[in-house]
Amino acid sequence: GENVGLHLPTLSVQEGDNSIINCAYSNSASDYFIWYKQESGKGPQFIIDIRSNMDKRQGQRVTVLLNKTVKHLSLQIAATQPGDSAVYFCAENIEGYQKVTFGTGTKLQVIP
Amino acid sequence: ETGVTQTPRHLVMGMTNKKSLKCEQHLGHNAMYWYKQSAKKPLELMFVYNFKEQTENNSVPSRFSPECPNSSHLFLHLHTLQPEDSALYLCASSQDLRLQAEKLFFGSGTQLSVL
Repeated sequence: GENVGLHLPTLSVQEGDNSIINCAYSNSASDYFIWYKQESGKGPQFIIDIRSNMDKRQGQRVTVLLNKTVKHLSLQIAATQPGDSAVYFCAENIEGYQKVTFGTGTKLQVIP
Repeated sequence: ETGVTQTPRHLVMGMTNKKSLKCEQHLGHNAMYWYKQSAKKPLELMFVYNFKEQTENNSVPSRFSPECPNSSHLFLHLHTLQPEDSALYLCASSQDLRLQAEKLFFGSGTQLSVL
């Protein structure tokens, strides 16, 4: 079956450093990708998205990179802060299909 | 706040109980969803409603019964649950299923424990 997965279950980063969270997907038909952040006791919160006609998209302190050739997605967080500590999920969707598939998540721990 | 409110935040119930989860969205969205989140597993889509009509039932057991009286409210009625149904139940909404794929807005969830 189709799979959206994350390479690392836990990532520890020093405060102020940059974080990179990776995601692999297997459905080559997927054309819309989203990163969500889930803090303890809360539901997932949208961070940034990217469509398959783009390779890179930037937000505030976050950048998403999409490599369709190897079916890889990454989330880069600049100058990681304690408030960035959370579980990060990548998700994929197929245009017009409206059935989002989520990965299992990566826990980001920021070391003060 | 995401604009999606879920109640209760926590629920403990026995296997013979009947309870309901409530979700309300204040975003003017037309699509609402129920997801199940278990430890170390991906989010599982349960039900999808668009303009109050159910468009997806992802092979969910009949002990879970959704209800969508209008585009702003979504319920999940629970009866004769099993301990393995213990999980975080998340409600989400999005603008419109007819539009291009877009982001979901999630509530904080109901943490359910079945004894």
